[in-house]
Amino acid sequence: DGGITQSPKYLFRKEGQNVTLSCEQNLNHDAMYWYRQDPGQGLRLIYYSQIVNDFQKGDIAEGYSVSREKKESFPLTVTSAQKNPTAFYLCASSIVSRGHTEAFFGQGTRLTVV
Amino acid sequence: KNQVEQSPQSLIILEGKNCTLQCNYTVSPFSNLRWYKQDTGRGPVSLTIMTFSENTKSNGRYTATLDADTKQSSLHITASQLSDSASYICVVSLNTGFQKLVFGTGTRLLVSP
Repeated sequence: DGGITQSPKYLFRKEGQNVTLSCEQNLNHDAMYWYRQDPGQGLRLIYYSQIVNDFQKGDIAEGYSVSREKKESFPLTVTSAQKNPTAFYLCASSIVSRGHTEAFFGQGTRLTVV
Repeated sequence: KNQVEQSPQSLIILEGKNCTLQCNYTVSPFSNLRWYKQDTGRGPVSLTIMTFSENTKSNGRYTATLDADTKQSSLHITASQLSDSASYICVVSLNTGFQKLVFGTGTRLLVSP
């Protein structure tokens, strides 16, 4: 099956700990993204990568880090510097089809700080 | 500022009834507009895409409209089913080198038996 796989589905973190969220895609898409979703708010862009070994900060990058060593993988690390990390995290990849970008989303990881 | 606003915030309808969700945007330069369906705890799934030249597009019981002059879009759901209960998110793409996506906050729809 082609798609985007996020793991784990649920993640609990103690305050002060770093934690890494996994995102893997086998769609052969060049671009990948990380979004954060909070109740009552739209998705907000954390980081994006348009090509391997390159990534850019989104609107709310502080307290997060990413890497893009392989086309298929775009892990997100939530560091202890992120003051309010409890949220639903969505990974996406995109392809340009007939001149328009279409984004495909993973199933999400719900991170809770305990 | 690029913004996408959706209304209503939430909606409850009886199974079998129709409903219409609204999306207003102030995004420039506009590339396209998509409606996504997001089930609780899942990732969004694309329903329709509207480009600048398109006014109406259907996908089964879902019909999306776009008025590029007033910068408004609507999603009409016909003969609602219990499985339509979800959040519906309007997403507008900017026509820049990197097609940035601007997300609305969504409309939470509950279809009641």
